[in-house]
Amino acid sequence: AQKVTQAQTEISVVEKEDVTLDCVYETRDTTYYLFWYKQPPSGELVFLIRRNSFDEQNEISGRYSWNFQKSTSSFNFTITASQVVDSAVYFCALSEDHGSGNTGKLIFGQGTTLQVKP
Amino acid sequence: DAGVTQSPTHLIKTRGQQVTLRCSPKSGHDTVSWYQQALGQGPQFIFQYYEEEERQRGNFPDRFSGHQFPNYSSELNVNALLLGDSALYLCASSIGASGYNEQFFGPGTRLTVL
Repeated sequence: AQKVTQAQTEISVVEKEDVTLDCVYETRDTTYYLFWYKQPPSGELVFLIRRNSFDEQNEISGRYSWNFQKSTSSFNFTITASQVVDSAVYFCALSEDHGSGNTGKLIFGQGTTLQVKP
Repeated sequence: DAGVTQSPTHLIKTRGQQVTLRCSPKSGHDTVSWYQQALGQGPQFIFQYYEEEERQRGNFPDRFSGHQFPNYSSELNVNALLLGDSALYLCASSIGASGYNEQFFGPGTRLTVL
């Protein structure tokens, strides 16, 4: 069965600290996609990154970086030098590819609330 | 370029009533998915519409139904409302119904059932 687990419910850091948000997933498919979304207080989910199961290269975008490890079924997200504007709920999500029957259903984790204090 | 829009923003209903939520996809997008997000939880997939057909359904009862119009906009209908239906309902649009495609989310409709 497909499942996404974000074990950290809430994290609180002081501005400029680095913080890592954990994500562990379960799937029986060999082809799948992993996503991170940010949900600020306004409620709208904002896309951050997509990774497919065949690309284990880590990615860096500014202060954000992602570490994908198939061996441990993890897709962790690190914010370097955190800022108050990074405060939000972050969701990790999984989408499977069933070929012609695929519909792009996203399976979300429970989310991690990040609070960055000044 | 307008993003995904949803209406209404907030809605208050009583148990047993029926509700219709509306979604307009991002320009150029032809696929709409609906999610329910209870307080403190991650979004749960309700169903997805592509080419005016329901392509896949999540674990939701038949009280939840939907429709997609020729202009790709969509409606979510919930009948016989229960207290547990109180949640943020999110609409997401994408180009095509592939698992690879990025889904763009709207701001949601906050439904409160009393």
